[in-house]
Amino acid sequence: DAGVIQSPRHEVTEMGQEVTLRCKPISGHDYLFWYRQTMMRGLELLIYFNNNVPIDDSGMPEDRFSAKMPNASFSTLKIQPSEPRDSAVYFCASSSGLGLSRETQYFGPGTRLLVL
Amino acid sequence: AQSVTQLDSHVSVSEGTPVLLRCNYSSSYSPSLFWYVQHPNKGLQLLLKYTSAATLVKGINGFEAEFKKSETSFHLTKPSAHMSDAAEYFCVVSDTGRRALTFGSGTRLQVQP
Repeated sequence: DAGVIQSPRHEVTEMGQEVTLRCKPISGHDYLFWYRQTMMRGLELLIYFNNNVPIDDSGMPEDRFSAKMPNASFSTLKIQPSEPRDSAVYFCASSSGLGLSRETQYFGPGTRLLVL
Repeated sequence: AQSVTQLDSHVSVSEGTPVLLRCNYSSSYSPSLFWYVQHPNKGLQLLLKYTSAATLVKGINGFEAEFKKSETSFHLTKPSAHMSDAAEYFCVVSDTGRRALTFGSGTRLQVQP
């Protein structure tokens, strides 16, 4: 399996622009998670989905952030408009709801976002 | 509510000497506990996990951790450090039945030649 795939790996944009981050989970996994990592706040859960349905979005910082999962193999995290304080590494992770590995999350390589 | 405290933000050891990274947790339920490693500019890789089976858990690359309920600890150890072990290590807790992981603040391990 290719693992969790994220794109782009790096994104540099200007304040006010829309940013879209993409994630392809591991095939067969029915949970998908979006995290943000910053020096100040460490790793924070933003939102997670089960069977394409958002379950907990309490970590989404504000209305400028939105996430969708239109099907089992694709999710997006969108920031509109972006601000410099959104600069961070954004990770996507997925896990299976079944079996002994059901709580283990597998992480993608991350998207490093810089908002100027 | 669950929480994780990593007691050291930085640990420095010499190559070939033992490694000890300390973690204490707080959880209302029977927790699952994990250690993840992050090499510079890389994603997070699972080292090992505890899910209420054996209290001594063996992971990849010679790492192991012991779950001690009475001490609410889950310290990570390795008998002999290698240069390639230099990375950031995260202790993570997940309450049974919930899906969200709570990460510790991380411990940066330096390995001196």
